Parts: sequence; structure tokens; C-alpha cells
Amino acid sequence: DGGITQSPKYLFRKEGQNVTLSCEQNLNHDAMYWYRQDPGQGLRLIYYSQIVNDFQKGDIAEGYSVSREKKESFPLTVTSAQKNPTAFYLCASTIPGGTVYGYTFGSGTRLTVV
Amino acid sequence: AQSVTQLDSQVPVFEEAPVELRCNYSSSVSVYLFWYVQYPNQGLQLLLKYLSGSTLVKGINGFEAEFNKSQTSFHLRKPSVHISDTAEYFCAVPPAWGSQGNLIFGKGTKLSVKP
Repeated sequence: DGGITQSPKYLFRKEGQNVTLSCEQNLNHDAMYWYRQDPGQGLRLIYYSQIVNDFQKGDIAEGYSVSREKKESFPLTVTSAQKNPTAFYLCASTIPGGTVYGYTFGSGTRLTVV
Repeated sequence: AQSVTQLDSQVPVFEEAPVELRCNYSSSVSVYLFWYVQYPNQGLQLLLKYLSGSTLVKGINGFEAEFNKSQTSFHLRKPSVHISDTAEYFCAVPPAWGSQGNLIFGKGTKLSVKP
């Protein structure tokens, strides 16, 4: 079955460390998204990509970086510049112009700073 | 501004009672409307969507929602909830016609079903 796979499910980061969250989809979707979720704050958009080799900042891009070298993959790196990275991270995808059809989400990665 | 408002951040309810989760949207958005459900430590799952046609939309797990254009609302209802319905529910809309942008999410409503 097609879907979005996020890994790992749980991730622990030490202070000053960069970590990369994986997002892979086999839905043949062009658009992919990264959201951050904190209690009571809903979903906040970090980065999104409408096509390979192109991506745009969302509302809270500072301290994060992404790449889109393949259609299937949209990894998110949480850099040491992100001062409060503990959160639940969600990856999503959709077809071109698919905002009107909704998004498909992965199962999320919970990142904790230790 | 384009926006989606979920009026209740938390809704406690007893098992087998009816529930309504409220969602209002700004009239400038395009009228495609979605409800997503998120179970603890999981991703979001599409519950139902309104694209056109009948204003009453039926979704999974016995939920339904009614699109009301005059009140710019898309409230989610279930006549009898179960413990397993405990989750967070998000209302979402695309941006306005002719504008670029991404899906706009409400801040979510946590439904807590008690025995």
C-alpha cells in the first residue's frame, strides 16, 4: 500500500547536535511538507516543496533545513540553531494542486532534547 | 485574512453521549473543507471532506459534518461517542480561490471520552 514513512519514531538529540528526520513517500506526490506540533499550538509549517530541487520556507523555518533531491524523499534537519527542538514532527504530501484534495500524513517523529 | 477557527480547545464527554466539534472559516477561503483526526502519538488521518454537493458529509467511524455557507461553519458531529474516539480533531481549508498557499489548519480540538 502507498503511504508516507517517517523514521525514526522517537529521536533524542543532545545539545548542539544536528539531527535528520526522514520522510519517504511512494504515492508519487509532487508536493511535500514538514510540520511541527507542540501541545495547544496546532500544526506549524516549517518547510514545503512543490517539486524536486525546490523548496520554500514556511512560518517557522529558522533552525531547520531541508533538501529535495528525489521526488520520494524530503528529509528535515534540525540544526543546533534551533533552540527549542523538542516537539512532534509531521511530514505530509499531496498531488500538484492537491491542496483542494487534502494531504496525506506520515505517523510522525517525536524529537526530544536530552 | 484566511483563517479557520475551532472554537473549543477541549471537549470532555461521556461515552455514548452525542458530541459536536465546532469549526468556522473565513468567507474568503475556497469552500473545500476537511476534518482530520489524530490519535495519540500518530499522524493525522482524513476523517471526511466536503468538496461539493450535499451539505451533509459522512465520514469514517460514524462521524458526519454539515457545511453551512451562511454561517461559514463546518461542525463535526457524532450521535454516540466511544472511548476509542478520544483524539484530537483538526478542521482545515485550502486558501482562497486564485491564491497560492497551503492547507490552513485550525488549532485543534481535543475530544476526551470518559466512561
